[in-house]
Amino acid sequence: NAGVTQTPKFQVLKTGQSMTLQCAQDMNHEYMSWYRQDPGMGLRLIHYSVGAGITDQGEVPNGYNVSRSTTEDFPLRLLSAAPSQTSVYFCASRVTGEKGYTFGSGTRLTVV
Amino acid sequence: DQQVKQNSPSLSVQEGRISILNCDYTNSMFDYFLWYKKYPAEGPTFLISISSIKDKNEDGRFTVFLNKSAKHLSLHIVPSQPGDSAVYFCAASVQGGSEKLVFGKGTKLTVNP
Repeated sequence: NAGVTQTPKFQVLKTGQSMTLQCAQDMNHEYMSWYRQDPGMGLRLIHYSVGAGITDQGEVPNGYNVSRSTTEDFPLRLLSAAPSQTSVYFCASRVTGEKGYTFGSGTRLTVV
Repeated sequence: DQQVKQNSPSLSVQEGRISILNCDYTNSMFDYFLWYKKYPAEGPTFLISISSIKDKNEDGRFTVFLNKSAKHLSLHIVPSQPGDSAVYFCAASVQGGSEKLVFGKGTKLTVNP
């Protein structure tokens, strides 16, 4: 049981490049979310999913796409990276009945 | 406009004493509150939660108090241990949309031996 696995751990992108941050969980959790954390800030919700095939926007969705084709995977796509997307990204999951989310260890993204 | 506020960026306490971390919220629709702990280079870890139908919830050394009229909650850690040194985040949600957590900026707790 690996929990929530995020890859890569570190990434440097050039402005305008696209990339996908991977998130996988092996706990059969229905709910999955993506957050970003900027220096001195709390975590802000980007997108979330309540099950395979169902996604919705969070607080800061612009510039990001998600899809949930399987229960296990919830990739986050940056369409055209901008320096404002430099941040630490956290993926999280939970199952019905659990009170809190289980978070991955994060992906530190720098856009230059 | 910040809906969840943690006004103390940092807190330092002695080992064995009580740590009290505070959180205020402005959205009266929030009815479920959580505390997370975060170590450097790790993801947040869920600690404890409370529903608005309660005013107190305990789990071992951790107790969360909720004052709905003041829109204020606090996390008490007794006794504090050096391993408790971390950043603590308060989060809130509206029960019906509980996947949309709103986080505060966090308070860095340092427990000195």
